[in-house]
Amino acid sequence: DGGITQSPKYLFRKEGQNVTLSCEQNLNHDAMYWYRQDPGQGLRLIYYSQIVNDFQKGDIAEGYSVSREKKESFPLTVTSAQKNPTAFYLCATGKAEESWESPLHFGNGTRLTVT
Amino acid sequence: GEDVEQSLFLSVREGDSSVINCTYTDSSSTYLYWYKQEPGAGLQLLTYIFSNMDMKQDQRLTVLLNKKDKHLSLRIADTQTGDSAIYFCAEKGNAGNMLTFGGGTRLMVKP
Repeated sequence: DGGITQSPKYLFRKEGQNVTLSCEQNLNHDAMYWYRQDPGQGLRLIYYSQIVNDFQKGDIAEGYSVSREKKESFPLTVTSAQKNPTAFYLCATGKAEESWESPLHFGNGTRLTVT
Repeated sequence: GEDVEQSLFLSVREGDSSVINCTYTDSSSTYLYWYKQEPGAGLQLLTYIFSNMDMKQDQRLTVLLNKKDKHLSLRIADTQTGDSAIYFCAEKGNAGNMLTFGGGTRLMVKP
């Protein structure tokens, strides 16, 4: 989706290092989400934010942190506490809660490899 | 929590129809979605259906919803090699904008 930019596309880190994945959007969407995808598995929600300066934990938040200082940006930090960080990370955005018809829009993902 | 299930794999021949199935448990689902994921890319929305509908057609795509059985299907007519991808179904409940995703069905189209 051209309106959501995830960078970088590929990221390599050594074990024990924190790493931050970028997600920027110009769709003017209030809500932003981070999902993790492992091979052969579905999407699991890490964190989400419905409004600036507020965010909530998803199903697998342990070892991750986020911030939402601007509407356009929702960076995800993978900390050294995350036991198995190698995965494909997807950022998504959506309209405000009351827009029932609104689907999620996805970025093209960042593949993180930790060795 | 709510659950969405899909079969893992489907293989069809080019030109045949593909039917990808999905079951869900949330009886308060409002919208159900089908997304397509090509290798190394994000998810692309294909189509969605409101829970008070039982069918929606969009060119080669037909979505069938059996709300009583909580069963959703995506039929792709005249399947092409370019349709090879992972297909995810997702449902939205009546609280907030959260989606629950199935595990994805990998569709392989043989020439």
